[in-house]
Formats: sequence, structure tokens, C-alpha cells
Amino acid sequence: SAVISQKPSRDICQRGTSLTIQCQVDSQVTMMFWYRQQPGQSLTLIATANQGSEATYESGFVIDKFPISRPNLTFSTLTVSNMSPEDSSIYLCSVVQGGSYNEQFFGPGTRLTVL
Amino acid sequence: QKEVEQNSGPLSVPEGAIASLNCTYSDRVSQSFFWYRQYSGKSPELIMSIYSNGDKEDGRFTAQLNKASQYVSLLIRDSQPSDSATYLCAVLSGNTGKLIFGQGTTLQVKP
Repeated sequence: SAVISQKPSRDICQRGTSLTIQCQVDSQVTMMFWYRQQPGQSLTLIATANQGSEATYESGFVIDKFPISRPNLTFSTLTVSNMSPEDSSIYLCSVVQGGSYNEQFFGPGTRLTVL
Repeated sequence: QKEVEQNSGPLSVPEGAIASLNCTYSDRVSQSFFWYRQYSGKSPELIMSIYSNGDKEDGRFTAQLNKASQYVSLLIRDSQPSDSATYLCAVLSGNTGKLIFGQGTTLQVKP
């Protein structure tokens, strides 16, 4: 499977600021996704990162709060804007490499704490 | 009704026993099913995928799928303390093509 890295691995931020999280894959992938995992909870899909076009957001998530870029087939960023303590979570990118099996593999995650 | 349901546990089994983890789903057109293992503080790791009714074995892990009953399970044979983790069931939605996760079952394997 693809090797996926995320930067930063963790950060502590002040409310009202923004943080950009990077996701880098060592090979081209067909699909990239961004998830949030709040403490003690399961994974919630934020959006599908579309290469060369605007991301597709899930209900409850908006572009102004979570702008996403995907300039090529190996890289994507998620920005958490105007942060509040409620944004404290683990943010994960995942990829589907291709083929018909739709297996998703996750990056190591970014642990965000907002004070 | 949640789209993917799991018993949150914790499920506690002695070392060497068989651990049985269960999952039900509501989307009848789903065709792809996955089990992820997540250690505390780590990201989910794909351990099994299953697409056809019946059993699929990989080492100590067996995934079982019954589409008529909308039920998927994971059996872990000869459970080890290192298997202690949260196991997430995920179903690929037939309508949206997106992965829907259950809440996860915490497994504790006691030496």
C-alpha cells in the first residue's frame, strides 16, 4: 500500500487562528479524503479532495471553515480556519490507490488541540 | 437507526481465546466491507476486506459476511494481548460510494 505522511503530527493552537495540515503520498492515488475523529468517537468524513477542482463537502462541513486543496495526485491540504476548542480532534487523510476494491488507507493523523 | 452499528464493548477475552466482533449495516446495496484496527493514539489500519457472502481468512483473522442478514463479523483466533485495540467496521455505501464507519468495538485480551 501507499506510504502516507501528514504534517504536522500534532499542534496546539490558539482560538481564532488557522492551521494547514498537509498530506503527502509516495505514489499517485485516485481518491483522497479528509476525516475528523473527535475524542472517543469514530471517524467522520469531512470532504473528498478532488484533484484540480473544489472539494466535495459532507453535510455539516463548509469550505469557509475547512478549505481543501489538491493540486496533484499525491498531495492535499486541509485548513482548519478560525479555530475554536470544539475543533480539537485528530484529522486524518486517507487514500484509495485505484482498482476496483476501494480499499482506503489512512495517514498517521494530526492531533490538534485548540486552547 | 445508525447506518453501521457495533457494540462499543469493551469485549474482554482471555489470551488464546477466539474474539468475535460483530457489525450490522442498514444499506442493502452495499457491496464492500472492511475491518480496521486502531490502537490508542494511532490511525486506523486496514486488516480485512470482504466483498462476497461467506468467510474470508487471513492468518488468525476471519471475516464473515451475510448480505441477506446485513451482518459482517470478524473472528480473531488465538487472541494475543497485542490484539487489544478498537476495531472499526466500515461499509462502502452503495448509493454514495463513501465509507461509513461504525462506532468501533474495544477489545481487551487479558494475559
